[in-house]
Amino acid sequence: GAVVSQHPSRVICKSGTSVKIECRSLDFQATTMFWYRQFPKQSLMLMATSNEGSKATYEQGVEKDKFLINHASLTLSTLTVTSAHPEDSSFYICSAKRMTERVGYTFGSGTRLTVV
Amino acid sequence: GESVGLHLPTLSVQEGDNSIINCAYSNSASDYFIWYKQESGKGPQFIIDIRSNMDKRQGQRVTVLLNKTVKHLSLQIAATQPGDSAVYFCAENIAGNQFYFGTGTSLTVIP
Repeated sequence: GAVVSQHPSRVICKSGTSVKIECRSLDFQATTMFWYRQFPKQSLMLMATSNEGSKATYEQGVEKDKFLINHASLTLSTLTVTSAHPEDSSFYICSAKRMTERVGYTFGSGTRLTVV
Repeated sequence: GESVGLHLPTLSVQEGDNSIINCAYSNSASDYFIWYKQESGKGPQFIIDIRSNMDKRQGQRVTVLLNKTVKHLSLQIAATQPGDSAVYFCAENIAGNQFYFGTGTSLTVIP
């Protein structure tokens, strides 16, 4: 159990376009999902906390207008990178928290975004 | 922020030896910690967790030690195997909210 699916696994887009990344909890409901960003050979940096039915909470320094987060259901959160630039190229990872557990933050397999 | 994006330290061990990976966490209010393993191009995988009311927890071939006085965690892997080669992160959590990740350590097991 506790599977989180992230799609797409890889995406290449042109500079100036927008890209949507989906994070789905397949076998459990997640009121809260988290979005991380990871540069090569670096740690995961928390970008935002996505709450079902309400606005996301962004970490300091993360542009909410650039990284749009929508958590419309208990099993789906989306991250849209708007007007992407090459410096947005990174590995984006989501994680989901079971409603009733503190343990069990399951991570998706990540999305490799390359902006050309 | 609680996590710092530094380049990863590395650790190389011989197959069969024990590995010790260290992590310094930043927030004294953190009360729950997880060690994750991340293979190249994949998301982190849960290895073992520990709550702040404990100082040691053992799993299969892994042991986590917590020293709250100096805000330090360690992960011990017994009889390290080639499949253990990966990047290892500790993550700290406060009251069931966000997890913040440590710098990470790249472990290479030499056959």
